[in-house]
Amino acid sequence: EPEVTQTPSHQVTQMGQEVILRCVPISNHLYFYWYRQILGQKVEFLVSFYNNEISEKSEIFDDQFSVERPDGSNFTLKIRSTKLEDSAMYFCASSGLNEKLFFGSGTQLSVL
Amino acid sequence: DAKTTQPPSMDCAEGRAANLPCNHSTISGNEYVYWYRQIHSQGPQYIIHGLKNNETNEMASLIITEDRKSSTLILPHATLRDTAVYYCIVRVGGSNYKLTFGKGTLLTVNP
Repeated sequence: EPEVTQTPSHQVTQMGQEVILRCVPISNHLYFYWYRQILGQKVEFLVSFYNNEISEKSEIFDDQFSVERPDGSNFTLKIRSTKLEDSAMYFCASSGLNEKLFFGSGTQLSVL
Repeated sequence: DAKTTQPPSMDCAEGRAANLPCNHSTISGNEYVYWYRQIHSQGPQYIIHGLKNNETNEMASLIITEDRKSSTLILPHATLRDTAVYYCIVRVGGSNYKLTFGKGTLLTVNP
């Protein structure tokens, strides 16, 4: 079965540093998403992306966050200046026209 | 999106059917019922979805009541690998809409 691939699996960074989380969605998918899950809490929606623009974003997705699909295959989430509270597991997801979201295995971000 | 209510936890014996309930009494006519699961902090995994008819796939069956105010996910022969948090999500159909995850039901399958 095709997979959504996320790299790295773990990322440790210092507070205030920029991080880029990378995702390779399933190749024929059109819709792309980022979610996050703080340890012990719910999975939270961050942003959805379609046709090279943001479709919807949550209150969490403030000016410190940005997404990009730079080359038609990768889908990235950038956090410009990380805060301690950004520590979480970040999941990328993609879907085609059949409404099933396929999630990656996540990137565990630790901000020190 | 309509809110859903699920029990926080359930147990099931290996090999038996697991029946996971979900209440969604405020569901609208254009909202679907989706089920996802999350195995120990892995990414959520799609299981099944439906509008008003019962649905079955290789993973599970979804039974939606006639008034659509509740549904049941059935895993016909639960295995230890089915131990996970199961999320019932109600959402308007279409791929370009977010999923809003609640706390779900932690299903523990016991040997």
